[in-house]
Amino acid sequence: GAVVSQHPSWVICKSGTSVKIECRSLDFQATTMFWYRQFPKQSLMLMATSNEGSKATYEQGVEKDKFLINHASLTLSTLTVTSAHPEDSSFYICSARETARMNTEAFFGQGTRLTVV
Amino acid sequence: SQELEQSPQSLIVQEGKNLTINCTSSKTLYGLYWYKQKYGEGLIFLMMLQKGGEEKSHEKITAKLDEKKQQSSLHITASQPSHAGIYLCGAVHNAGNMLTFGGGTRLMVKP
Repeated sequence: GAVVSQHPSWVICKSGTSVKIECRSLDFQATTMFWYRQFPKQSLMLMATSNEGSKATYEQGVEKDKFLINHASLTLSTLTVTSAHPEDSSFYICSARETARMNTEAFFGQGTRLTVV
Repeated sequence: SQELEQSPQSLIVQEGKNLTINCTSSKTLYGLYWYKQKYGEGLIFLMMLQKGGEEKSHEKITAKLDEKKQQSSLHITASQPSHAGIYLCGAVHNAGNMLTFGGGTRLMVKP
């Protein structure tokens, strides 16, 4: 089946530094990818919709200048957490659906556990 | 998400017992997805429902979609410790195809 690969699976960074998370669709093309964040004991919250070749669409309350999204190709979207702070520590998951087959399941990456110290 | 209410929030059952998790949407459903997750790990796709009255089964897990009620239920028969985890329902409410998620149900199965 279709696979979405997310990297890294975990990262620890110092406060004030930036961290980049990659999301790749391995065997299908995805015009649109989605980024979610999950805090402990909470559900997934959509952060933004990443659109290939255009600007990402951010959900209310998500700072676009802090969470930079780049979707440069049909198989890769990146999320950069800029000037990370401890409150940004969370579990980040990306999702993608095959562009040519929209009424199919959404595939999820393995997630990235970010810890900011 | 207030758009998608999931109940119960947590559930502890004895091994071998049946259980049901419900997911109710406040908006029209274009698709309803069920996933299983252990916190800090990725999501495991269970089932996707699109049509009213649709029912799908995988091993001991059955999901149904009541389109009129904008509601789906996930039923596990003869639960096992391996069923433990967080069950999430996700819904597509519009053509944008983004998934919004319910709050999740934390299931524990006691041996």
